[in-house]
Amino acid sequence: LAKTTQPISMDSYEGQEVNITCSHNNIATNDYITWYQQFPSQGPRFIIQGYKTKVTNEVASLFIPADRKSSTLSLPRVSLSDTAVYYCLVGLTGGGNKLTFGTGTQLKVEL
Amino acid sequence: GAVVSQHPSRVICKSGTSVKIECRSLDFQATTMFWYRQFPKQSLMLMATSNEGSKATYEQGVEKDKFLINHASLTLSTLTVTSAHPEDSSFYICSARGTQKNTEAFFGQGTRLTVV
Repeated sequence: LAKTTQPISMDSYEGQEVNITCSHNNIATNDYITWYQQFPSQGPRFIIQGYKTKVTNEVASLFIPADRKSSTLSLPRVSLSDTAVYYCLVGLTGGGNKLTFGTGTQLKVEL
Repeated sequence: GAVVSQHPSRVICKSGTSVKIECRSLDFQATTMFWYRQFPKQSLMLMATSNEGSKATYEQGVEKDKFLINHASLTLSTLTVTSAHPEDSSFYICSARGTQKNTEAFFGQGTRLTVV
């Protein structure tokens, strides 16, 4: 399973765009990149998933360069409620493939 | 989106007793579910993979006789912490996803276990 490296923590202010970069140098050809958000005492919540280039949904964008050795989660105009831990996961998708969590990034958004 | 329901959300038990945690996929079938444990300020640690109709696969260092997993149907997996001790106090989270490719995993809301 590809190992991921993320910043331990990031600080931002309301209304700012936040970009969290994850390194995954040994990503395999069939691996997908998935980001999850976790609030204290809750299970992780899916944010976005991608394989290459750019993916956008209603809450975030995911940028993946051609070599796929890193990815960047972009949160536009964050608010206080975006304060959470964000995990980058790399691996095969599909029912039987397990997800291994790295350390995650603690994002703190202030006024 | 798909929902995974976990019950109970909190449980306090005495040392030496056993506790059962249920994980249900409410609107999809899950041949595989995963159980995680999370200590304060730490990441999720995968404990085991629960396979419907067969034995669970445990990660290295996880005692299978202590953490009993049963996946009796395509929508239900249970984790039983046997002879619980204070060091078993933790946040337990289950996860499931459908059988199709490229589907994201959905997580339960977690169970806070406190052993006194």
